[in-house]
Amino acid sequence: EDQVTQSPEALRLQEGESSSLNCSYTVSGLRGLFWYRQDPGKGPEFLFTLYSAGEEKEKERLKATLTKKESFLHITAPKPEDSATYLCAYKLTFGKGITLSVRP
Amino acid sequence: NAGVTQTPKFQVLKTGQSMTLQCAQDMNHNSMYWYRQDPGMGLRLIYYSASEGTTDKGEVPNGYNVSRLNKREFSLRLESAAPSQTSVYFCASSEVLARDTGELFFGEGSRLTVL
Repeated sequence: EDQVTQSPEALRLQEGESSSLNCSYTVSGLRGLFWYRQDPGKGPEFLFTLYSAGEEKEKERLKATLTKKESFLHITAPKPEDSATYLCAYKLTFGKGITLSVRP
Repeated sequence: NAGVTQTPKFQVLKTGQSMTLQCAQDMNHNSMYWYRQDPGMGLRLIYYSASEGTTDKGEVPNGYNVSRLNKREFSLRLESAAPSQTSVYFCASSEVLARDTGELFFGEGSRLTVL
């Protein structure tokens, strides 16, 4: 059974304080690991897809990386507008999400 | 661009009442999905439709039925609502079945409370 686990559940950062969000997965044959962003009261919005270990993708202050067992979402010099819940997903299974709060 | 549209956005039901959540997408996607999102549980798949004319159960199908009315529309029905079905429901669509690496496009959600 495919499993996706995210940690920590919540993360509070000061503006400008870089950090990483973790997504570990146990799947039978990786066919794409997805990252989404969800703002309060909204549906998730697609950010990245990673297909193979060693792959990296970037968007503004976000960079997603993939190893054989984990994916990381690195946030460099975050701003308050980066506050949201970040979800990773494999196939149709989602992790529980990491709620990021960035204080000014 | 409308994307994925869900109706209603909010609904309050009494235990035992029935209702249908409607979802429509205008992206010509083949696959559609219904998820529920609860605090501490994350997004859980209820039902999905890989293509027009097919539907399959997800992780938590009990108490729900679905209809893929046509390529654009996918409805979720609660026949006899229970308080445990209080949740936020999301409809999503994808060009190809997400199981085969398709990214999902989500609606804004329907917030259902069952008293």
